[in-house]
Formats: sequence, C-alpha cells, structure tokens
Amino acid sequence: LAKTTQPISMDSYEGQEVNITCSHNNIATNDYITWYQQFPSQGPRFIIQGYKTKVTNEVASLFIPADRKSSTLSLPRVSLSDTAVYYCLVGGYFNAGGTSYGKLTFGQGTILTVHP
Amino acid sequence: NAGVTQTPKFQVLKTGQSMTLQCAQDMNHNSMYWYRQDPGMGLRLIYYSASEGTTDKGEVPNGYNVSRLNKREFSLRLESAAPSQTSVYFCASSERSSGVTEAFFGQGTRLTVV
Repeated sequence: LAKTTQPISMDSYEGQEVNITCSHNNIATNDYITWYQQFPSQGPRFIIQGYKTKVTNEVASLFIPADRKSSTLSLPRVSLSDTAVYYCLVGGYFNAGGTSYGKLTFGQGTILTVHP
Repeated sequence: NAGVTQTPKFQVLKTGQSMTLQCAQDMNHNSMYWYRQDPGMGLRLIYYSASEGTTDKGEVPNGYNVSRLNKREFSLRLESAAPSQTSVYFCASSERSSGVTEAFFGQGTRLTVV
C-alpha cells in the first residue's frame, strides 16, 4: 500500500479556502485517492475520492496532477465546524466474489484548526 | 437509518479477560472492517471481511479474532486482553457505488485494559 505524507497541522480562519496537500510518491496504477474527516470521539467520515484530474462534490474539491504523486484537498470558505483531522488515503480496490473492497490505510492525518 | 452500530460504547477489562465487540450494519454492504485508533494516531486495520464468509488479517491482527456472522454482523474478539490493547475500536463497512467506494464508520468502542 502506498505511503502518504501530509502536514501534521494547519491553521486557518473562517471564510478562507484551505488546501491540504498529500504526497504519495509510490502510488500504484490501480490506487485511488480518498480523503476522510474525523472529529474527536467520532469515526472518520468520507469526504471525496478520485483517481486523476479534478473531482468536486458539495463539500470539497480534489486536485490530482497527471503524475498522481500528490493530491490536494480544497475546502472552500471554511467555518469553525471544519476543525477536525483530515486523512489522505491511497489504496486499490480489489474484486472478490463479485464485490469490491479496499484495505484502507490511515496515516497520522492533518489537524486543521479554524479560528474565528 | 442507523448505518454502522457498535456495542458496547465503553468497556473496562482486567488483564487476561476476554470479550467480544459487536458490529452490525444495515446498508447491505459486502465489506466490513475492524480498526483500532490509539491516542494521537491514525487508524490501523486489524481484520477485514471482503464478503460474507471470508475474513483476512490487516496490519495488526495479533491478539484478535473475528467472525463474520452473516452479511450484517462482524464481531471482534479479544481472547486474553492486554494493556497494549487499550484503544478505541472502530468498525466500518463499505460498498462501491457510482464509481466511488465509501466506507462508513461506527461511533467506536472505547476499551481500557487495566
């Protein structure tokens, strides 16, 4: 499984755009890039997933350059409630018995603190 | 819609005691997982079940056993608890839909072994 490197912590202010970059130099051809958010005393929550180029959903954007050795999670106009730990995961999905599953590996994540 | 439900939420064990952590999902997902999270750390995969009837070891399986009881339920057993197993345990399930595989996590079981 590809190892990921992301900043340990970041600070921002309400209303700003936040970009968290993740390095994954040994990403494999069949690996996807997925980001999760975790609040204290809760399980992680899925944010976004992509394979290449740009993916956007209602909460975030994910930018992946052509070489796929890094990715950037972009959170537009953050609020205090976005203070959390953000995990970048890289891994493939395997087909077994007609289903698809992933052996997700979590690194230490990035602690994002949003200030008033 | 309950999602992934874990029981119990809290547990204190004495060294050497055994217990089973229960997990159930109501989303009809094929794949289920057990993770542990130590303070200030990311989650580490203990065991996973790609589909009903199969289980495999993750990164840190020593000291644990699992049972995929049916499609809904995936239990984690500690046969002889040790202080090193003090952690928060998360169960998750996942399915691939519309080109995205999203994992859904339970609220966790906070286990202390004294």
